[in-house]
Amino acid sequence: NAGVMQNPRHLVRRRGQEARLRCSPMKGHSHVYWYRQLPEEGLKFMVYLQKENIIDESGMPKERFSAEFPKEGPSILRIQQVVRGDSAAYFCASSRGGATNEKLFFGSGTQLSVL
Amino acid sequence: AQSVTQLGSHVSVSEGALVLLRCNYSSSVPPYLFWYVQYPNQGLQLLLKYTSAATLVKGINGFEAEFKKSETSFHLTKPSAHMRDAAEYFCAVSRSGNTPLVFGKGTRLSVIA
Repeated sequence: NAGVMQNPRHLVRRRGQEARLRCSPMKGHSHVYWYRQLPEEGLKFMVYLQKENIIDESGMPKERFSAEFPKEGPSILRIQQVVRGDSAAYFCASSRGGATNEKLFFGSGTQLSVL
Repeated sequence: AQSVTQLGSHVSVSEGALVLLRCNYSSSVPPYLFWYVQYPNQGLQLLLKYTSAATLVKGINGFEAEFKKSETSFHLTKPSAHMRDAAEYFCAVSRSGNTPLVFGKGTRLSVIA
């Protein structure tokens, strides 16, 4: 039973390009959470999705960021027109049910570097 | 709103010494509390969680934490540190149900031989 898979592991983009980060949850998990970790900071919640639905996006920047979790395939975090401030580690986590009732499993993250 | 404060961004202990990592929380409702560990270049792993059952929670790798409502604390301890415990530790809080976890800034634990 593979864990939460995130790819790519490292992503380098130039300012103005688009970044697509993928997350495949653990088998049987239908809840996905995206977190961003800036240097010297803890993880900041971005968005919580269940299959085909965004449940909570209160942590998502209002512009340039979007997320989806289609019926088939991985969850995608998309950042348009990246800026240097978007450089961070982006972690995905999944659970079978809500995060407080079920164990939350984290992927190894995608390190985004914006040049 | 909920929040956690981790006192000390960096803690250094000798191998075999007591580990104490501090976490204070703020919550308007009875909280769910968690400790996660992050090893270099890896995702977070759950060490333990408190969900209103026993106030002393035992986790993996010999760690435990005690929920103290009067002090709004959930400090993480381990009687004897090992070199392999060197990592970043995060405290997190949540209200209940499907609400996302709110993480502290983390404490980096160094273990000196």
